[in-house]
Amino acid sequence: SYVLTQPPSVSVAPGKTATITCGGDKIEFKSVHWYQQKPGQAPVVVVYDDSARPSGIPERFSGSNSGNTATLTINRVEAGDEADYYCHVWDVSRDHVGVLGGGTKLTVL
Amino acid sequence: EVQLLESGGGLIQPGGSLRLSCVTSGFTFSDYTMTWVRQAPGKGLEWVSTISGSGETTSYASSVKGRFTVSRDISKNTVFLQMSGLRAEDTAVYYCAKGGRRLHLGEWSAWGQGTLVTVSS
Repeated sequence: SYVLTQPPSVSVAPGKTATITCGGDKIEFKSVHWYQQKPGQAPVVVVYDDSARPSGIPERFSGSNSGNTATLTINRVEAGDEADYYCHVWDVSRDHVGVLGGGTKLTVL
Repeated sequence: EVQLLESGGGLIQPGGSLRLSCVTSGFTFSDYTMTWVRQAPGKGLEWVSTISGSGETTSYASSVKGRFTVSRDISKNTVFLQMSGLRAEDTAVYYCAKGGRRLHLGEWSAWGQGTLVTVSS
């Protein structure tokens, strides 16, 4: 089965850049979606199809995908960005399943 | 405005059954796939099941295959998750989410607030 690997935690100071990675075999050939989940709330998509941003999501959020790693980048981090972030792909190679990374806790120092 | 509202969660004994519902509004229900995602207490998100817009095609995580059944009632703009043979490890908040027009493609663009299922004796 397809596995997505995320670092458990990332810490960044306000105003700096946060980088959250999502590793998977040849992930560049898949579309990667990213979700933000704040405590007690439902997830919200912040980047879809590797690098597209839904309306209402600040331009500070961006995504990229190359080789075996997809990346969510948050520029000029704010305290309100503190949350869990999950990457998501569809594995249609055999079982047609949704695959989620284990999640990354972003802490704003 | 897209809205999703889950219901049906609660406390259930191991081996029991429960049916979750997710009532939707704000979009053409039959045009979009619907997905259930769960989150065990203090844990990450886990994909559970997806159903096509027509309801003809479904897919399941291996952890629930054979025990859970997803369905949809287009006339009621509602998607269901019938859960049987419940186990302690099924304890989680269950979210329904609106997917894309094509099965197994696209992001989950809208989510409900979730409903808690607790499996315990």
